[in-house]
Amino acid sequence: QQQVKQSPQSLIVQKGGISIINCAYENTAFDYFPWYQQFPGKGPALLIAIRPDVSEKKEGRFTISFNKSAKQFSLHIMDSQPGDSATYFCAASIQGAQKLVFGQGTRLTINP
Amino acid sequence: SQTIHQWPATLVQPVGSPLSLECTVEGTSNPNLYWYRQAAGRGLQLLFYSVGIGQISSEVPQNLSASRPQDRQFILSSKKLLLSDSGFYLCAGAQVGRGATNEQFFGPGTRLTVL
Repeated sequence: QQQVKQSPQSLIVQKGGISIINCAYENTAFDYFPWYQQFPGKGPALLIAIRPDVSEKKEGRFTISFNKSAKQFSLHIMDSQPGDSATYFCAASIQGAQKLVFGQGTRLTINP
Repeated sequence: SQTIHQWPATLVQPVGSPLSLECTVEGTSNPNLYWYRQAAGRGLQLLFYSVGIGQISSEVPQNLSASRPQDRQFILSSKKLLLSDSGFYLCAGAQVGRGATNEQFFGPGTRLTVL
């Protein structure tokens, strides 16, 4: 019940296309859903996060869509660029909890 | 803003040798601190976390140990390295208290190769 399942494991998108990564969870007590971006050889960095009181959050080309009833959330990258090529991790936690539960990661490649 | 420092950046050690990786935090007091390991092309495995000085929780039984001798210092150790200890080690921190989100901020990582 503490797992977060992320898909796909890898994704190739053409430049200018839309990249979509999906995550699903079971624990309905989760109330914080961040996405992290990790470039090769670097530590992950927070990209965008959402709480379940909203269904969508947008920051520039990055959008989180949240479906509380389906217990799913997804990351959409509009107008994908080669510089977006990285590994993306979704995560979930309960406010005040000490740990994040991470998905397995998606390796995104944007072809020029 | 919070910053995590880790050193060394890369390390090559023989099997059976000891290990000490250090992590320090700037820009926040009394943070939660975390050690993760990431195998090549894989996800983030939480190894240890700490909510305060001397307080360590272990997530995975293994050849490693952690210590927190100061508020902003977190150390990962091993007495005898195994080949399976190779990986990318990440230290992370999180603010706690009123108004804090659950955001974790990560350090640059240490690439450990055990030969």
